[in-house]
Amino acid sequence: DGGITQSPKYLFRKEGQNVTLSCEQNLNHDAMYWYRQDPGQGLRLIYYSQIVNDFQKGDIAEGYSVSREKKESFPLTVTSAQKNPTAFYLCASSMGQGGMNTEAFFGQGTRLTVV
Amino acid sequence: ELKVEQNPLFLSMQEGKNYTIYCNYSTTSDRLYWYRQDPGKSLESLFVLLSNGAVKQEGRLMASLDTKARLSTLHITAAVHDLSATYFCAVATRTDSWGKLQFGAGTQVVVTP
Repeated sequence: DGGITQSPKYLFRKEGQNVTLSCEQNLNHDAMYWYRQDPGQGLRLIYYSQIVNDFQKGDIAEGYSVSREKKESFPLTVTSAQKNPTAFYLCASSMGQGGMNTEAFFGQGTRLTVV
Repeated sequence: ELKVEQNPLFLSMQEGKNYTIYCNYSTTSDRLYWYRQDPGKSLESLFVLLSNGAVKQEGRLMASLDTKARLSTLHITAAVHDLSATYFCAVATRTDSWGKLQFGAGTQVVVTP
């Protein structure tokens, strides 16, 4: 079945460590996105990519990095510079611009906890 | 900067009664989305509303969009326990990818007998 797969579902990070969250989609979507959700809040955009080998910062990019080497994959690295990384991370994809009923589809999320 | 405001942020519903959640946004947008989120889960898409003022209904939920007022409403008819969840509206803009969204803070809905 087509969809977006995020892994792992739960991730624990020690202080000062970098960790990478995986996001893979087989929907043939051009655009991919990373969102962060804190308890009791809406989602905030971290990074997005509209084509391979190109990506843009969202509203809260500091302390995060991404790559887009393949259309299907958009991994997010949470670096040690992110001082408060504990959150729920959601990856999404869409067909990019154009199309009347295009919408974003979300993965199941990764819950990251600093220990 | 696009701002999206939802109200109320918390809604305690009695089963069988009707309620409305409001979503205001600050600038012109091409489409508005409503999502449902259960605790610890991802987002489930409920409605996609285009800029022509569409009204959509699915079961006990009905969403509408007034582009002149920059207001969307999510109306719940005869609430039932299964509708307990957090509901988000999100707005996309023409010049960006459709997944580049500005979310409201969410409305936590609790339905009690």
